[in-house]
Amino acid sequence: QQQVKQSPQSLIVQKGGIPIINCAYENTAFDYFPWYQQFPGKGPALLIAIRPDVSEKKEGRFTISFNKSAKQFSLHIMDSQPGDSATYFCAASMNRKIIFGKGTRLHILP
Amino acid sequence: KAGVTQTPRYLIKTRGQQVTLSCSPISGHRSVSWYQQTPGQGLQFLFEYFSETQRNKGNFPGRFSGRQFSNSRSEMNVSTLELGDSALYLCASSSGTGIHTEAFFGQGTRLTVV
Repeated sequence: QQQVKQSPQSLIVQKGGIPIINCAYENTAFDYFPWYQQFPGKGPALLIAIRPDVSEKKEGRFTISFNKSAKQFSLHIMDSQPGDSATYFCAASMNRKIIFGKGTRLHILP
Repeated sequence: KAGVTQTPRYLIKTRGQQVTLSCSPISGHRSVSWYQQTPGQGLQFLFEYFSETQRNKGNFPGRFSGRQFSNSRSEMNVSTLELGDSALYLCASSSGTGIHTEAFFGQGTRLTVV
């Protein structure tokens, strides 16, 4: 079954902390793993993405860690800021079809 | 470059009616995908159109249909509306070439069925 499991559902972190969002997938045919950020009233926006032949990717304060053997990947946000408060979706893609996790509502306390 | 434009932004319909939503992709993009977003089910893939042809389809009933025009604009139609169809409908555009290309989402159409 094409499914992506995401945890936690919600997360509260103090400013400057490092929130970590975890995802797991089942179908080994997935070959592209993007993360999306969504603010209220807006559509999701691509944050960062990784392919399964890479174990880590950094873009600014955002880092994806990927464990192909465990079929798990996670997002770390360094030096988190109140402006990072949003809903984050992990996803897995195959043949241009994106399967999303259920999302994590992140709140960064000032 | 203009982003993805979805119209209307908000819509209220009655059970049993039908509705048509519109999506104008980013200029030059040939692929348009539609997603349904609800609090319970999250983001679910409906279908993808590329060069006026449906290229991918999710697991939604036949009441949900779409089409794409020669200018890449796309419409999504839902017939015989049910209360459970209340959701945010999102459209995403991409170049559509290659196996993986970045998808850009519109702001969505909020559909409420009463």
